Amino acid sequence: DTAVSQTPKYLVTQMGNDKSIKCEQNLGHDTMYWYKQDSKKFLKIMFSYNNKELIINETVPNRFSPKSPDKAHLNLHINSLELGDSAVYFCASSQRQGSLSHIQYFGAGTRLSVL
Amino acid sequence: GQQLNQSPQSMFIQEGEDVSMNCTSSSIFNTWLWYKQDPGEGPVLLIALYKAGELTSNGRLTAQFGITRKDSFLNISASIPSDVGIYFCAGQQFNTDKLIFGTGTRLQVFP
Repeated sequence: DTAVSQTPKYLVTQMGNDKSIKCEQNLGHDTMYWYKQDSKKFLKIMFSYNNKELIINETVPNRFSPKSPDKAHLNLHINSLELGDSAVYFCASSQRQGSLSHIQYFGAGTRLSVL
Repeated sequence: GQQLNQSPQSMFIQEGEDVSMNCTSSSIFNTWLWYKQDPGEGPVLLIALYKAGELTSNGRLTAQFGITRKDSFLNISASIPSDVGIYFCAGQQFNTDKLIFGTGTRLQVFP
């Protein structure tokens, strides 16, 4: 069984469309993340949720809205897609020990291409 | 946003050679992690370091948490073709869940 699974793996869409990416983890973790990896392979955190509560919200356009229906799922909805949104989006999860989470487990990524 | 500097940016080596890469920051980190990313996959954790000066091995991999807490290095001994990929360092500061990733080192191994 895949620990952190994302769907779809590839997403090709037109500028201006709205799309969602789904993420599920079966590790029993309480914290989930979304990262963006650009064409130069820089990995940057976008959002993090702990037990369905938003705890990290980096400077991301408000066209991006994460939603966590329960602690095993964190979805990412993107409105009005722009060319610059083309990237690979990774979901990750971790378990808090005390007040910190550190060992994050990543999904295989969703490659988004905006035409 | 904050980013860790990794060097070298890329390496082309012969199978059997040893590899060394490092990661530096202007800030102090409490935890250092090393990840490997294969093409078309997400990063996979290789080694986690929790204390300044700590030296940890995982098979042919050895990583150290720098004494100043501002750097870390990763060594791979006797490289093999499946070591090909991008290696990322990541640091976590005190009292935050956020991981800051390095710029990556792309490794190519030739038979």
